Amino acid sequence: DSGVTQTPKHLITATGQRVTLRCSPRSGDLSVYWYQQSLDQGLQFLIQYYNGEERAKGNILERFSAQQFPDLHSELNLSSLELGDSALYFCASSATGTLQQYFGPGTRLTVT
Amino acid sequence: QKEVEQDPGPLSVPEGAIVSLNCTYSNSAFQYFMWYRQYSRKGPELLMYTYSSGNKEDGRFTAQVDKSSKYISLFIRDSQPSDSATYLCAALSGVSGYSTLTFGKGTMLLVSP
Repeated sequence: DSGVTQTPKHLITATGQRVTLRCSPRSGDLSVYWYQQSLDQGLQFLIQYYNGEERAKGNILERFSAQQFPDLHSELNLSSLELGDSALYFCASSATGTLQQYFGPGTRLTVT
Repeated sequence: QKEVEQDPGPLSVPEGAIVSLNCTYSNSAFQYFMWYRQYSRKGPELLMYTYSSGNKEDGRFTAQVDKSSKYISLFIRDSQPSDSATYLCAALSGVSGYSTLTFGKGTMLLVSP
């Protein structure tokens, strides 16, 4: 168990809908990262937050947004969902000044 | 072309074999190189990482980086069925706190008893 929790585990929704994925980092970790994993693209970095502020941005679509709250939990919002958004979404966290990212168990999103 | 390329496998070996997993990368700015292991239906977990070129050993695992050829390797000695998983190589660019990880697509390893 990495100490990173993600909810829900599975999510099935229809095209055009909006969903919110939630992540709680390890106790004390200020950095939160979001990744998308699909069979064709592999694991892709989406966005990083550090203590509530956006730090780095990867291949995140404009339809996707994220935020980190004062209690350090983070949410990834996905809107106008398309079939191609079906994937595993992972959250990871790391302690300040360290390289190791601890991954959560992921949320499996299926868009029908 | 992806910045980090990795053969997806699957790679099937008998128990006790020496396994060699490899990646190539194209971005010269990468400074740290990592290997993650991902079991089915789980999140990736960090196995080990190296800085710049060189070798690093941890038990049955050895990570090797050759920056001149932009080649990353992971060797597993005396492979066990419990090593069956997908292995992801990753490279880190940026400075502390502002760094991003770029992953290969992963190689699925199957170790048969």
